[in-house]
Order: sequence, then C-alpha cells, then structure tokens
Amino acid sequence: EIVLTQSPGTLSSSPGERVVLSCRANESVPANFLAWYQQTPGQAPRLLIYEASSRATGVPARFSGSGSGTDFTLTISRLEPEDFAVFYCQHYGGSPITFGQGTRLDIK
Amino acid sequence: QLRLQESGPGLVKPSGTLSLTCTVSGASISSSYYYWGWIRQPPGKRLEWIGNIFFSGHTYYNPSLQSRVTISIDTSKNQFSLTLTSVTAADTALYFCARDGYSNLGYFDFWGPGAQVIVSS
Repeated sequence: EIVLTQSPGTLSSSPGERVVLSCRANESVPANFLAWYQQTPGQAPRLLIYEASSRATGVPARFSGSGSGTDFTLTISRLEPEDFAVFYCQHYGGSPITFGQGTRLDIK
Repeated sequence: QLRLQESGPGLVKPSGTLSLTCTVSGASISSSYYYWGWIRQPPGKRLEWIGNIFFSGHTYYNPSLQSRVTISIDTSKNQFSLTLTSVTAADTALYFCARDGYSNLGYFDFWGPGAQVIVSS
C-alpha cells in the first residue's frame, strides 16, 4: 500500500502569507493520482485538488497543487482567514485508497 | 445540489455490530456512474477509507477491514449502508459517507457531515 507522509505536522502563518505543504509517498503514485483536502473542526473534508494539480469546482485560484512521482505540494499563495484548517493528501486509483496524517495550519 | 446524510446509532457495545446508513438527495444513486464510499476518522488520527459500492452492488473494501465490513445499497430508497462486525474501541470514529468523483477508487467530491460512533460498554 502507498503510505503518505505530510510535512510539516503543524505550520503557523499569517493572513496574506504564502505557504507550501508537502506530501511524500513511499512509492511512485501512478498517473499522479493525488488529491488534497481541507478540513475545519467538526466538518467533513472539502476536496481542493485532484490529479495533483487540478482544482476542484469552486476552489479559489490561490490554491494550487504540483508534483509527480513521490513528491507533491499544495501551495496557498495568499492566506485568507478561512484557510486555517487541517490539510490532507490522498492517493487514489488503486486499493487501498490512503490518506496522509495531515498538516495543521494555524494562525500565527 | 447533491447532499449526503449519515444516520445510525451513536453508541455500539464492544463485540457488537455497527450499522450506518447514508441517504443521498439531489441525484439518483442508480442513474449515475459513480461509486459511493465510506471513510472514517478515529479521534486525532488520519482518515481511513473503508470501502466503495456501485449501484449494481459491486463493492471494493479496504483489505484491512474486509473480513468485518459489508456495504450494501438500496436504490429504491436512494441509500447505501455500512455494517461493521465485531467492533472494538479502535472502531470509535467519525464516519463519513461520500461520492467517489473519479468513478471508483478515486477522490471524494461530495461528503456527508459525518456520524460520530463510540464503541463502549
């Protein structure tokens, strides 16, 4: 199974800043089938990115994904107050689907 | 607008059976080509995929849970259900139902709000 490791575990930043979150796989992710989600407390995850770099419907352009093989990143270009949450990456396209352990993005 | 809603008992005794139902509104389960899935999130831990089902009844399960999991579908009620047997405290989690937006074994683009299930005597 593909194991996803996210870093950092926690990131503190301020509105207006740019942040980069990392997701590393223990083996190459086929066809770049890597998705990113945002989850706020008590809420379901919200799909942000699929296929490593495609934004889901309604996701603001400040969110962008990149990467291939085993290394992927999610970049938020200018943080808005509503962006502070936990972010998860997910591998798909094969069984089992797996998720990273998450990166918590806190307000500094 | 597609909406999903989980329902079921919030408390299950150890060694018992966990049963949850997901009711889909805004679209017919049987008129689309999507799979429908269950995902859970134990307290403070990462999300874990449980399994997927198609309107035909075809299922895919996480190998780590396969011996205890059954996912079924009722197209007449536009619902699909999760059954997990022989539960322990490790099965305490927030359980989500979701639509697989890729078709199968994919990413999840619509989610229910989640149902908290506690396993305790």
